[in-house]
Amino acid sequence: AQKITQTQPGMFVQEKEAVTLDCTYDTSDQSYGLFWYKQPSSGEMIFLIYQGSYDEQNATEGRYSLNFQKARKSANLVISASQLGDSAMYFCAMRGDKAAGNKLTFGGGTRVLVKP
Amino acid sequence: NAGVTQTPKFQVLKTGQSMTLQCAQDMNHEYMSWYRQDPGMGLRLIHYSVGAGITDQGEVPNGYNVSRSTTEDFPLRLLSAAPSQTSVYFCASSRQGKSSNYGYTFGSGTRLTVV
Repeated sequence: AQKITQTQPGMFVQEKEAVTLDCTYDTSDQSYGLFWYKQPSSGEMIFLIYQGSYDEQNATEGRYSLNFQKARKSANLVISASQLGDSAMYFCAMRGDKAAGNKLTFGGGTRVLVKP
Repeated sequence: NAGVTQTPKFQVLKTGQSMTLQCAQDMNHEYMSWYRQDPGMGLRLIHYSVGAGITDQGEVPNGYNVSRSTTEDFPLRLLSAAPSQTSVYFCASSRQGKSSNYGYTFGSGTRLTVV
């Protein structure tokens, strides 16, 4: 069974500073993918970044980077130079391999509030 | 290119009523799924499908039925609505394959209230 844990229910960050959102996972799949999604107050799910289990380099997408530590089973999201528009819920998710139905499992989320 | 379309966006039901939430995608994605999101929580998988004619249960399937007669459509049926089913429902689709990096495309959600 897959499990995603996000231990920070909420956090404040000062505008223009960096913030790290924690995510740990548990799976027995050999191949898996890790995703981060942003959910603003409007409710839509916005894809931010992806990391494959066999990728050797950490993923980056603009101001987002994923700190992937496979041995520790962690996939933390780093947002650099926070902006007011970054205030939202952030979800870590994991997709297992085809044998497991490629199911996407979500963590409980972290609410980020960026202060001006 | 519409992506994933969910209807309706809002719905109020009385306890015991039944209804169907519609989900359609135009990306020829093999994989489709339904999630529910309760206030302040993450998304939990209800049912999913890896192709037409194939469905399976997720984490919280009780009280819901699905079918997949076409690649494009994946409706979710509430058999007898209960207040515990008050939630926001998301439909999502993706390509299916060996690689696990096929990202999901989400619909805009259906906010359901059962009174």
